[in-house]
Amino acid sequence: KAGVTQTPRYLIKTRGQQVTLSCSPISGHRSVSWYQQTPGQGLQFLFEYFSETQRNKGNFPGRFSGRQFSNSRSEMNVSTLELGDSALYLCASSLGGDSISYEQYFGPGTRLTVT
Amino acid sequence: GNSVTQMEGPVTLSEEAFLTINCTYTATGYPSLFWYVQYPGEGLQLLLKATKADDKGSNKGFEATYRKETTSFHLEKGSVQVSDSAVYFCALSSYGNNRLAFGKGNQVVVIP
Repeated sequence: KAGVTQTPRYLIKTRGQQVTLSCSPISGHRSVSWYQQTPGQGLQFLFEYFSETQRNKGNFPGRFSGRQFSNSRSEMNVSTLELGDSALYLCASSLGGDSISYEQYFGPGTRLTVT
Repeated sequence: GNSVTQMEGPVTLSEEAFLTINCTYTATGYPSLFWYVQYPGEGLQLLLKATKADDKGSNKGFEATYRKETTSFHLEKGSVQVSDSAVYFCALSSYGNNRLAFGKGNQVVVIP
C-alpha cells in the first residue's frame, strides 16, 4: 500500500503571499489531519477532516484553512504569509470513523520557508 | 486539556547501551498513547501504541507500558544501535478523537 504523500516537498514564499499544500492519504483512509512543526513550538495540531467535513480544529488564526475532497485528498491553505509560518507541515491519515485505536500515518511533510 | 511531558534534553549513548526516555501525560478519561520516531528529513513513523491501562506496546525491540497510576508511558530499548539515532516523540489522543498532543521530543544519538 502506498503511504501518505505530500506535495510539494519544499516551498519558498514571500511575506504576504498565500500558499496551498496538498496531501493524499493512504487508500481507504477517510480522516486527514494537519500539523505544524517548528523548533520553538514543536508539533501543533492544525485541523482534521473526515468525510469532507472539518471535525476538529486547533488554535490557529483564520489565515489557516483546509478542505477535503470526495476522494479523501486534502489541501491546506495559508493566506497572508508571515515569517513565523515557516515550518514543516505534516499531514497524517487514519481510518477515522469509530476505530478506537486511531493510528495515524504521517507523510514526509512540506517544508515551507517564508522570506 | 491534554498534554504530554518528555524529559528535557538530548540523549547520547553508546551502541548496545540501554535506552529509557521518560514520558508523562495529563488527560481526561482514557487516552490512547503512542511513540513516534522521526529520522532526519522525514515525517513521523508510528513506533508503538497502547490503548488501555497496563497494555504494553512493542516494536523493533522498543517497549512502553501504559501506566495509569503514574500517568506514564516510558520508552525503553535493551540494546540500541547506531540506526536508532533519531528524534522520539510521545503522544496521546483522547477516545474518539484523532487530535494528537505531542511532547517536545528527544533527540537520541547513538555513538558506535
